[in-house]
Amino acid sequence: DVKVTQSSRYLVKRTGEKVFLECVQDMDHENMFWYRQDPGLGLRLIYFSYDVKMKEKGDIPEGYSVSREKKERFSLILESASTNQTSMYLCASSPGYHTQYFGPGTRLTVL
Amino acid sequence: AQTVTQSQPEMSVQEAETVTLSCTYDTSENNYYLFWYKQPPSRQMILVIRQEAYKQQNATENRFSVNFQKAAKSFSLKISDSQLGDTAMYFCAFMKQRSGIIQGAQKLVFGQGTRLTINP
Repeated sequence: DVKVTQSSRYLVKRTGEKVFLECVQDMDHENMFWYRQDPGLGLRLIYFSYDVKMKEKGDIPEGYSVSREKKERFSLILESASTNQTSMYLCASSPGYHTQYFGPGTRLTVL
Repeated sequence: AQTVTQSQPEMSVQEAETVTLSCTYDTSENNYYLFWYKQPPSRQMILVIRQEAYKQQNATENRFSVNFQKAAKSFSLKISDSQLGDTAMYFCAFMKQRSGIIQGAQKLVFGQGTRLTINP
């Protein structure tokens, strides 16, 4: 089975802090994705990566950056966390342009 | 740009009943994929069913089936003999089919979600 793990299930940070969310997949997938999930808005794509060191902006990249130094790991970085970044963050990976496999999510609260 | 709309924010049915979740989408593409994903209260999103737009036959997976109407841009999910474990958020999603050898991943565009509750 495909396994996508995220470093934390729950995270509480203060405004202005630098926040790292880590995602690891164990199936050698080329593609990895970061979404945020908010009630009534569904999932919105923040960034994605189709290869090591390659990244593309999604629909809502402002305030976020990403890093992919190894194929299995994709990090989401909030350079200076703000309260409007309080959300559920979901990571996903896929072997091609078909099914995406999701991690359990990280619920981030920024105070 | 593609958009996906799920017009039912919440639904509730009794166990063993059949329930249909609706989804419409807007696109000018001819080749694409449609998905239904399920997110149980534990939060791990999993794929329920996938449909290729070029296939006329509706996809089925055990108790889950879709009604794909390409001309109407409609993609509903039917759950037969519903079970308590079907209680979850359900998301409809759209993905363009990338043509040729083009590097890069394809994005999923999600609807707002429908919260389905199966009552005992």
